[in-house]
Formats: sequence, structure tokens, C-alpha cells
Amino acid sequence: QVQLVQSGSELKKPGASVKVSCKASGYTFTSYAMNWVRQAPGQGLEWMGWINTNTGNPTYAQGFTGRFVFSLDTSVSTAYLQISSLKAEDTAVYYCARGGDILTGYPKYYFDYWGQGTLVTVSS
Amino acid sequence: DIQMTQSPSSLSASVGDRVTITCQASQDISNYLNWYQQKPGKAPKLLIYDASNLETGVPSRFSGSGSGTDFTFTISSLQPEDIATYYCQQYDNLLYTFGGGTKVEIK
Repeated sequence: QVQLVQSGSELKKPGASVKVSCKASGYTFTSYAMNWVRQAPGQGLEWMGWINTNTGNPTYAQGFTGRFVFSLDTSVSTAYLQISSLKAEDTAVYYCARGGDILTGYPKYYFDYWGQGTLVTVSS
Repeated sequence: DIQMTQSPSSLSASVGDRVTITCQASQDISNYLNWYQQKPGKAPKLLIYDASNLETGVPSRFSGSGSGTDFTFTISSLQPEDIATYYCQQYDNLLYTFGGGTKVEIK
């Protein structure tokens, strides 16, 4: 069965960096895009962008350029989200979510599997 | 970028009631509109994709309709386990946007 398992909660000081992992299993990792979604406390869902797991090419949503980096290690079917120069307003739950079919190009434009979420807390 | 206007932001209904949530896109998105359910402390769950397709395993009391700019999500008979926040999501030109969410409570 398809599973996305994320790394555990993080407590970081302002200015530090954090790297969240999302390990996929139950399907061919490089066949589907991986998306990242942020949810600040008590707020809605914000799409951060996606990474092509075949080419490694990332696409960032507006507001998530510069300090946010998506990366991959396809040898262990894992996607990463790194956030640098952390600010208090980065405090949120971060989700990975499986997206489009990039192998066949089949028009699949929805997120059918999600990780359990990783809480990143930024506080001095 | 395409903006999604979801309404209402919250609603209260009785068990067995029909519940309707709407989502309006700022421009034509064809049928690239999805609906998710999120329960407190949990990851979102896909319910409806491509405006009207029910995801496998999702109860048939959930449905979606619409195309272009105006979309509707319906729970035909509200159940206690449907208490959650519901989000619409659009796709256009490699970009996605979520609506603001609708919190559904039991009256």
C-alpha cells in the first residue's frame, strides 16, 4: 500500500535551518510528482510547490522562493523540504503529498496520498 | 495566479441534513477542481477529484459538480463523522491553489 512517512517534529531557533523528510513506499517513487503543503496553526492549506521526482526540477509557489528548497534522494525514495533562515511565521505543519503522474503524463491533477505532517516550531 | 473563493467559511447543520459548499475560481479552470476533508490533527483526505469523481472508498453521500468557474460540494445526509474542515483545490498550468476552507459542525 502507498505510504508517505514524514520525519518527526522539530523545534528550531530563529535563523536556523530545518530539513523535513518524506519517505515514500508502495509505488515507484519517480513516477509521481511530490508536492509540499503548509498549514500554519489554526489556518488553511497553502500549496508550496512541487518537485519532479524524475528530473529533480522544483517548482515553487509564490511566497516560497529563496528560503525554501525541495530536493530528492531517489535511492531511498525520499523527498526533502529544507527551510533556511527560519522565522517565527514559519511555524506550521508541513505535509508532503503525492501528485501528478509524470511517467505516463496521464492528467492526474490531485493529491491522493499525504504524509502525516511534520510540525516545525520556530521559537527563541 | 488563480484565486479560489470558498463559502461559507463555517456552517452548522443537523445530522441528516443536506450540506452544500461552493467554490468559485477567478478564471476558467475547466474541471480541475478537487475537494478534501481534514479532521483535527490529521492530514487532508481526497474525497472528490476532477470536480465530480468520487475517490475510491469514499461514501456516496459525498458528491461534487460544476465546471468552468463555479463548483459545488454536497453531503447528502450529514453524519457525525463528517465533522471536519473541507477544502477545494484547483489546478492550472502547473500551479495549485486551495480555497480558504469550510468548517462543518453539528447543530
